[in-house]
Amino acid sequence: EVQLVESGGDLVKPGGSLRLSCAASGFTFNHAWMSWVRQAPGQGLEWVGRIKSRGSGGATDYAAPVKGRFTISRDDSKNTLYLQMNSLETDDTAVYYCTWMTTMTTFGFWGQGTMVTVSS
Amino acid sequence: QSALTQPASVSGSPGQSITISCTGTSSDVGHYVSWYQQHPGKAPKLMINDVSNRPSGVSNRFSGSKSGNTASLTISGLQAEDEADYYCSSYTSSGTLIFGTGTQVTVL
Repeated sequence: EVQLVESGGDLVKPGGSLRLSCAASGFTFNHAWMSWVRQAPGQGLEWVGRIKSRGSGGATDYAAPVKGRFTISRDDSKNTLYLQMNSLETDDTAVYYCTWMTTMTTFGFWGQGTMVTVSS
Repeated sequence: QSALTQPASVSGSPGQSITISCTGTSSDVGHYVSWYQQHPGKAPKLMINDVSNRPSGVSNRFSGSKSGNTASLTISGLQAEDEADYYCSSYTSSGTLIFGTGTQVTVL
């Protein structure tokens, strides 16, 4: 059974930093492309960024609103995906979902999400 | 483009069919449109990928299609459990991914 379990969500002040983790199981993580998707309260889904598998080069891509502030990384030895968020803004307040991209363009499986609140 | 365009809401009676549209440009609505269902307080669930492919376990009442720059999700034989938010997504020519604005489906 595929499981994606996010953790690390918290209340943080504007300008602060936070690191989210996503523990993966039930599939071959080191072959997987992974993405983070977020959803602000009462709003729609927004793609945050993606990391390819190491075998595909391990490259990362980011959405414009987070580029230069957020960094996605992975530890294949721990089957864990990370999202390092710096220079946080109030507009970053959202539930953050970890997703396994079962094809290059498909968010095939989702975690339950972790809440990040940016407020003074 | 920041998001693909979907109608804010669509409704239908039990047993009826409804269709949700997802409109973009030639740079984003291509062969890689997916659809997701999200019930309140839950994580989204993949319903359709690659325009019309239905993953294992998804009801055959859900089907997808595309014409030009508009993709569509059709739910036939509408049931109470289909009441949820639905989002399309696609891959853009710049190598990023984009979601639709979301559609709330109400079963009357």
